[in-house]
Amino acid sequence: SQQGEEDPQALSIQEGENATMNCSYKTSINNLQWYRQNSGRGLVHLILIRSNEREKHSGRLRVTLDTSKKSSSLLITASRAADTASYFCATEGIQGAQKLVFGQGTRLTINP
Amino acid sequence: DAGVIQSPRHEVTEMGQEVTLRCKPISGHNSLFWYRQTMMRGLELLIYFNNNVPIDDSGMPEDRFSAKMPNASFSTLKIQPSEPRDSAVYFCASRHVREEAFFGQGTRLTVV
Repeated sequence: SQQGEEDPQALSIQEGENATMNCSYKTSINNLQWYRQNSGRGLVHLILIRSNEREKHSGRLRVTLDTSKKSSSLLITASRAADTASYFCATEGIQGAQKLVFGQGTRLTINP
Repeated sequence: DAGVIQSPRHEVTEMGQEVTLRCKPISGHNSLFWYRQTMMRGLELLIYFNNNVPIDDSGMPEDRFSAKMPNASFSTLKIQPSEPRDSAVYFCASRHVREEAFFGQGTRLTVV
């Protein structure tokens, strides 16, 4: 299956700490994307990393990609209460181009 | 652009009734996705279109589900007849090829 699997399923930390979420997948990919979903809302795109890239940054977000291990990580530094949400990784496989498949997500709670 | 627009936002219907969900993608995007989200199954890809053509409908759960994209600015997902187990949040998303997806706010469907 192409589907990504996030780890952990739930994460609770104190405000100001860093949060790390991981994503593993099974088939070769064109790119991997991270999204955030606030309760009851649609998903919002955070970062896209292509298969030939190893790391990308956006503000307090850092994403790494290890294609040899078929895994990615999302790091949120200096977390804030507003970062409380569910985070999903999505993979676009090489086969069946443009099919974007999501994992089960990590529920992140930032405690004030 | 107003983003991806879905209607209705909420739908409550009785078992056996026909339900039609609507989506207006972002102008210029050539890929459109329909997803279903439940607590038990997470975010499932139902079908996706490329240039208005259905490319992969392997996620459509049963023949009761059908989707159309008559033009680049409109898509529908129809359930006929609806069943209580179809209750979920249905998302539409659009994007340019191999780029990030933009999601609508979703339609919360309740079948009683």
